[in-house]
Amino acid sequence: QQQVKQSPQSLIVQKGGISIINCAYENTAFDYFPWYQQFPGKGPALLIAIRPDVSEKKEGRFTISFNKSAKQFSLHIMDSQPGDSATYFCAASMDTGRRALTFGSGTRLQVQP
Amino acid sequence: NAGVTQTPKFQVLKTGQSMTLQCAQDMNHEYMSWYRQDPGMGLRLIHYSVGAGITDQGEVPNGYNVSRSTTEDFPLRLLSAAPSQTSVYFCASSRHVSNTEAFFGQGTRLTVV
Repeated sequence: QQQVKQSPQSLIVQKGGISIINCAYENTAFDYFPWYQQFPGKGPALLIAIRPDVSEKKEGRFTISFNKSAKQFSLHIMDSQPGDSATYFCAASMDTGRRALTFGSGTRLQVQP
Repeated sequence: NAGVTQTPKFQVLKTGQSMTLQCAQDMNHEYMSWYRQDPGMGLRLIHYSVGAGITDQGEVPNGYNVSRSTTEDFPLRLLSAAPSQTSVYFCASSRHVSNTEAFFGQGTRLTVV
């Protein structure tokens, strides 16, 4: 049972373009939605996160858009750079019970120069 | 400040052998967890701990044991290694049990032959 579905599996974008990664969740009890960035041979690192009381959060070139009614959220990377080439994971968690992160399956982003 | 330290980085085991993956954090975090990462499946929670002396099962606990005798350490034990346990293992810690940033170690790549 995959509670967080992520797409696409892989993405190739030209330098300067916009990268868009989408996630959908099922459990309406989720109340924290982070995105993690992982470079080869490294552990994931928090990139940006959002809570469901806002519809958008922006940090530099990275923006999370959140649609609570559709149970979807997405990561937009503006002006994509070769240094952004990595695997991106969306995740979700809730403030009760296990409180662990449920991850999407990941998106491998390649930004071509 | 070392953050989350995992050892070893690489390990090859024979089927049936046992071993312990070490995880230590120096940030005085309450919450620690173990994930395994497999291609196309994201990260899946194995076990977690909300504080010293308290552990609980995650999504895929079978074949693994954990203990948390101190705040700093959270070792993961493979009781009798199986080829299905070939994976990359990540330890993570968070400041508090509520939804805050998770800090990941660099991972242990385990191969069971």
